[in-house]
Amino acid sequence: AQSVTQLDSHVSVSEGTPVLLRCNYSSSYSPSLFWYVQHPNKGLQLLLKYTSAATLVKGINGFEAEFKKSETSFHLTKPSAHMSDAAEYFCVVRTNTGFQKLVFGTGTRLLVSP
Amino acid sequence: NAGVTQTPKFQVLKTGQSMTLQCAQDMNHEYMSWYRQDPGMGLRLIHYSVGAGITDQGEVPNGYNVSRSTTEDFPLRLLSAAPSQTSVYFCASSYTAGGGNEQFFGPGTRLTVL
Repeated sequence: AQSVTQLDSHVSVSEGTPVLLRCNYSSSYSPSLFWYVQHPNKGLQLLLKYTSAATLVKGINGFEAEFKKSETSFHLTKPSAHMSDAAEYFCVVRTNTGFQKLVFGTGTRLLVSP
Repeated sequence: NAGVTQTPKFQVLKTGQSMTLQCAQDMNHEYMSWYRQDPGMGLRLIHYSVGAGITDQGEVPNGYNVSRSTTEDFPLRLLSAAPSQTSVYFCASSYTAGGGNEQFFGPGTRLTVL
């Protein structure tokens, strides 16, 4: 069965420093992977997705993620954090069997300090 | 396009009461789903539908009912509310279930069961 593990429940950075949010996945097949962002008291917004094309995926707001099959990882990065990046981030894998469903990680809360 | 809309935004119920959470989308999406979000657990799939008249159970279906009589609407019914159903509920839709299709999320309904 497909699953994702987000390795950090909280990440704290200073404004202007790099962001790294870590995600490992488990999948028997070539997976579809997503990162979603949730700002406080809001719904979820898609940041980026990987669907077996280029392994380096660029998303909105300067975020990108690299699919590494050998490491079963899909880490989210951004070169320079902005205060508005403070939110919760979810790594998500789509199942490849039956009716394909999204399986969410437990989330990483990103805190950005001035 | 209103996207995915959910009503109500907030609801307080007493144990044993029933209610329906409404979800509608105006994007002609075939696939719709309901999730609940609890602290530290990410989003978990309750029920989903791949088209009008077709529904199936997700990860945590107990205590919830759904039906899909039209493409646009996918209501979630709580038959007899319990404190364990206190959560934030998100409805989502996508064009189809598979591949890299983006799921669009509604703003959520915050439910408290006393």
